[in-house]
Amino acid sequence: QVQLVQSGAEVKKPGASVKVSCKASGYTVTGYYMHWVRQAPGQGLEWMGWINPKSGGTDYAQKFQGRVTMTGDTSISTAYMELSRLNSDDTAVYYCAREYSGGGVDHWGQGTLVTVSS
Amino acid sequence: DIQMTQSPSSLSASVGDRVTITCRASQGISYYLAWYQQKPGKVPQLLIYGASTLQSGVPSRFSGSGSGTDFTLTISSLQPEDVATYYCQKSSSAPWTFGQGTKVEIK
Repeated sequence: QVQLVQSGAEVKKPGASVKVSCKASGYTVTGYYMHWVRQAPGQGLEWMGWINPKSGGTDYAQKFQGRVTMTGDTSISTAYMELSRLNSDDTAVYYCAREYSGGGVDHWGQGTLVTVSS
Repeated sequence: DIQMTQSPSSLSASVGDRVTITCRASQGISYYLAWYQQKPGKVPQLLIYGASTLQSGVPSRFSGSGSGTDFTLTISSLQPEDVATYYCQKSSSAPWTFGQGTKVEIK
């Protein structure tokens, strides 16, 4: 069965960077785009971008352009999302989610809580 | 960028009620719309894709309709386990914007 397992919670200081990993299993990773979505405490879902694991191509939400980098290592079926120049507004649960061929995303990681605090 | 606007932002209904949530896109997105359910403390779940196709395993009391700019998620008979926040998302070109969410509670 499809599983996405993310790395553990992180606490970072303002100005630092964080890199979250997402290990996929149960399917061929090169066949599906991987999206990243975040959710601040008590808030809604916010789409950050996607990566095509096969080509390495990416597309990011304008809000995160210049601060986010999505990469992948197909040899270990793992996707990464790195966010730099963190501030308190970046405190959120970050999810990886596999794109579904019919539309939307159909499998989600368990989420990684990133807390930005001095 | 295309904006996605949901209404209402919250609602309270009785068990067995028919519940309707709307999602409006600021520009036409054809049928490239997905709906998600997020129960408290849980990961979102895909309910509907392609505006009206029910994801496998989703109860048939959920349905979706619409195309272009106006979309609807309907719960034909609200159940206690449907308490959740529901989100729409455009699933065409980037950015894959979400609506702000609709919180559904039991009266």
